Amino acid sequence: QSALTQPASVSGSPGQSITISCTGTSSDVGGYNYVSWYQQHPGKAPKLMIYDVSNRPSGVSNRFSGSKSGNTASLTISGLQAEDEADYYCSSYTRISTVVFGGGTKLTVL
Amino acid sequence: QVQVVESGGGVVQPGGSLRLSCAASGFIFSNYGMHWVRQTPGKGLEWVAFIRFDGRNEYYADFVRGRFTISRDNSKNTLYLQMNSLRAEDTAVYYCAKEIYGDYRGELVYWGQGTLVTVSS
Repeated sequence: QSALTQPASVSGSPGQSITISCTGTSSDVGGYNYVSWYQQHPGKAPKLMIYDVSNRPSGVSNRFSGSKSGNTASLTISGLQAEDEADYYCSSYTRISTVVFGGGTKLTVL
Repeated sequence: QVQVVESGGGVVQPGGSLRLSCAASGFIFSNYGMHWVRQTPGKGLEWVAFIRFDGRNEYYADFVRGRFTISRDNSKNTLYLQMNSLRAEDTAVYYCAKEIYGDYRGELVYWGQGTLVTVSS
């Protein structure tokens, strides 16, 4: 199972919006609505930010939103803040009952 | 509050074995599936294995199938990962994490802080 494809890095200025893409196949992202996004700060454990493509767990800011079109999922962060600077990973359930992660995207807040 | 705490990491020689544990609290452990995920230093996340809430089914990534075994003891609220035939490329921080709902979706909420496994001679 190949990793999902994410851009290695994205950047934006405070207050701006950014979008991170996550491309898979019809066997994972395109075939299921079990797409999640995780935020990871250096030295910390990952934190679930989005699940079921577009749902936010309790306590996650509504500045974070998710969507999916075909085999590509997207995470959008609006009103960018310095604390959003982190690594972001997408993941998906797969046809063979495994879980596949993206390679990760480093978000830099300029 | 919900907590998962991994332990058991350390340094092991290639070909050796290690058993990781994950102690869970703050939720009804026997109602949720659990995952192991690893992260190579400085690199991305890799899903390792999942076990159903009742322990009846296990699922593995190809690169560990046949070498690693996930198990659980619901009476002790503890998840395990038995790692055999360890290779240098298994060196990573290993996290346990709780599935968000009772069924298997691959959506992981409540991660531990991880335990470092180093495979080296």
